[in-house]
Amino acid sequence: KAGVTQTPRYLIKTRGQQVTLSCSPISGHRSVSWYQQTPGQGLQFLFEYFSETQRNKGNFPGRFSGRQFSNSRSEMNVSTLELGDSALYLCASSSEPGGYTEAFFGQGTRLTVV
Amino acid sequence: KQEVTQIPAALSVPEGENLVLNCSFTDSAIYNLQWFRQDPGKGLTSLLLIQSSQREQTSGRLNASLDKSSGRSTLYIAASQPGDSATYLCAVLHNTDKLIFGTGTRLQVFP
Repeated sequence: KAGVTQTPRYLIKTRGQQVTLSCSPISGHRSVSWYQQTPGQGLQFLFEYFSETQRNKGNFPGRFSGRQFSNSRSEMNVSTLELGDSALYLCASSSEPGGYTEAFFGQGTRLTVV
Repeated sequence: KQEVTQIPAALSVPEGENLVLNCSFTDSAIYNLQWFRQDPGKGLTSLLLIQSSQREQTSGRLNASLDKSSGRSTLYIAASQPGDSATYLCAVLHNTDKLIFGTGTRLQVFP
């Protein structure tokens, strides 16, 4: 059974640009959550999608957005990139929404904004 | 507001030692608690999930306990090995329907 796949693994972008990250969950999982991990703030929740609907959102500006497709794959978009957006972005999939079942994480996308 | 703290922040031990990692949370109204390990620059690997109604879970050399009333969980690692070196994170599911993560314990096991 394939795990959670995140692409790309590494990205370097310039301030002001936008970026799209992709996450394919474990087959059969319909919940995908996104997290930002930085040395200073640790792991912070961005949002969760379940059955193509955003069901929960963290405290991030509107520049951070996402969506989920009918095959449960999810994308996260960050517009007007800032230096502070440099981080490891992780997605997690689970069979049920809300964190009530075990969460399985991908390897992450390392975003560097220069 | 739920806050999750992990102590110690870093730990270095010789191979073979039994270890206890601690996780504390401020609000005992949690639904579950999950332990993860993270290797440098990598994603998180789920280790154990404890539901709020459970007191402990075991997987191989790992045992996690949960005491909701005192707001604490411990991860016990028996007979540590160099391959156990990683950062260990705990996360609680609170009534906000999202996982709240601790700051992690960075473990190094040397031969």
